[in-house]
Amino acid sequence: AQSVTQLDSQVPVFEEAPVELRCNYSSSVSVYLFWYVQYPNQGLQLLLKYLSGSTLVKGINGFEAEFNKSQTSFHLRKPSVHISDTAEYFCAVIATSGTYKYIFGTGTRLKVLA
Amino acid sequence: EAGVAQSPRYKIIEKRQSVAFWCNPISGHATLYWYQQILGQGPKLLIQFQNNGVVDDSQLPKDRFSAERLKGVDSTLKIQPAKLEDSAVYLCASSLDSPRPRGETQYFGPGTRLLVL
Repeated sequence: AQSVTQLDSQVPVFEEAPVELRCNYSSSVSVYLFWYVQYPNQGLQLLLKYLSGSTLVKGINGFEAEFNKSQTSFHLRKPSVHISDTAEYFCAVIATSGTYKYIFGTGTRLKVLA
Repeated sequence: EAGVAQSPRYKIIEKRQSVAFWCNPISGHATLYWYQQILGQGPKLLIQFQNNGVVDDSQLPKDRFSAERLKGVDSTLKIQPAKLEDSAVYLCASSLDSPRPRGETQYFGPGTRLLVL
């Protein structure tokens, strides 16, 4: 079975500062990894995903994430955040074979301060 | 293209009552998901359909929850009878069928916020 751990429930950061949201996963088989963002009263929207190839993945709104297989991590980063990035961010994983079920982390609430 | 549609957006019921949620996925999307998102938690998959067949419903409380996807398009999720702990946002998502379906992006609807009193 797979599991996802998002280590920080809340991350406050000043506008234009860099941010990193952490995600670690556990799985006995290879996985695909995703980051979704949820704005207030809205559904989730894909930021980026890792399926294969380059371990550095670039997504929308200036976000990027790096897949680190040895550390089983997929941390999300942005070099300079905006007020509009204030939202909840979810890391998700699915095994590439076997059980066909997406597992989401508990989320990290990013609060960008002026 | 139109996104995933869900209705109603909000629902308040008393415990032991029944409730139904409706989802219309993006046209052409073969896979449809229902998630339960309790406040402060990540989405939890309740049931996944591939066309009108069930792929996974291992986390669906079958004594009170049911779901169907007629003709492989729209879907309804029902709770009967509701309990206080069913208060949550119910999210519907859909994705394309492709040679690598597990890697496909899920497109989420706005959700239905349920409050059980």
